[in-house]
Amino acid sequence: DAGVTQSPTHLIKTRGQQVTLRCSPKSGHDTVSWYQQALGQGPQFIFQYYEEEERQRGNFPDRFSGHQFPNYSSELNVNALLLGDSALYLCASSRRFSGLAGNSYNEQFFGPGTRLTVL
Amino acid sequence: GDSVTQMEGPVTLSEEAFLTINCTYTATGYPSLFWYVQYPGEGLQLLLKATKADDKGSNKGFEATYRKETTSFHLEKGSVQVSDSAVYFCALSDYGNNRLAFGKGNQVVVIP
Repeated sequence: DAGVTQSPTHLIKTRGQQVTLRCSPKSGHDTVSWYQQALGQGPQFIFQYYEEEERQRGNFPDRFSGHQFPNYSSELNVNALLLGDSALYLCASSRRFSGLAGNSYNEQFFGPGTRLTVL
Repeated sequence: GDSVTQMEGPVTLSEEAFLTINCTYTATGYPSLFWYVQYPGEGLQLLLKATKADDKGSNKGFEATYRKETTSFHLEKGSVQVSDSAVYFCALSDYGNNRLAFGKGNQVVVIP
C-alpha cells in the first residue's frame, strides 16, 4: 500500500500565478481533506471532498478551490497567488462510514506534503 | 469555534528524561483528541488518540489522557530517546466531522 501520495514535492511560483497540487488517497479511502501549514504553525483546514463534492470548508478565500475525481484522487487549485500562500500543503485521506448515528470516519492519513514557495 | 492551545516554545531535554507537552482545548461538542508527530521533511503521523472522556491513548511509550473536567490532553513519555526529536501537534475533531483543528505544535529536541 503506497499510502497517501502528493505531487509535486516542491513548487516555486510568482505572485499572481495559479497552481495545481495533486493528491492520491490511501487505498480504500474515499474522503480527502486539504490543509495549509505555514512555517512554524499547525496545519489549517482548507476543505474536504467526498463523492466528488466539497463537503466542508475552512476559513479560506475563493481563490482556493478543489476537485475530486471518480477514483477519489483530488486536486487543490490556488489562483492569484500571494506571498502569504507560501506554505506546506498537506493532503489527508480517510474512509467515511454512514450509520444510524450519522457519519463517522477512521483516522486521517497524511501525505508528505507539497512545499509551495511564492516569490 | 473549536480550538487547541499548546504550551509555548520548543522543548529541549536530555535522553532518558521525562517529557510532558501540555494541550488544552475548546469545543462545543464532544470531540475526539489526537496527538500527531511530524519528523523533519515528512508529513504528519498519528501518534495516539482518545475518543471520549477518561480514555487514555498510548503508543510507542507515549501516553495522553482525555480530561473533560480540565479540557486537557497532555502528552507524556517517561524516558525519551534521540529518535523522539520531532514536532508534536495536538488536534481535535468533532464526531462525524473529520475536520481537524491543530495547535501550533511543539518542537522537541532530545540531546544525547
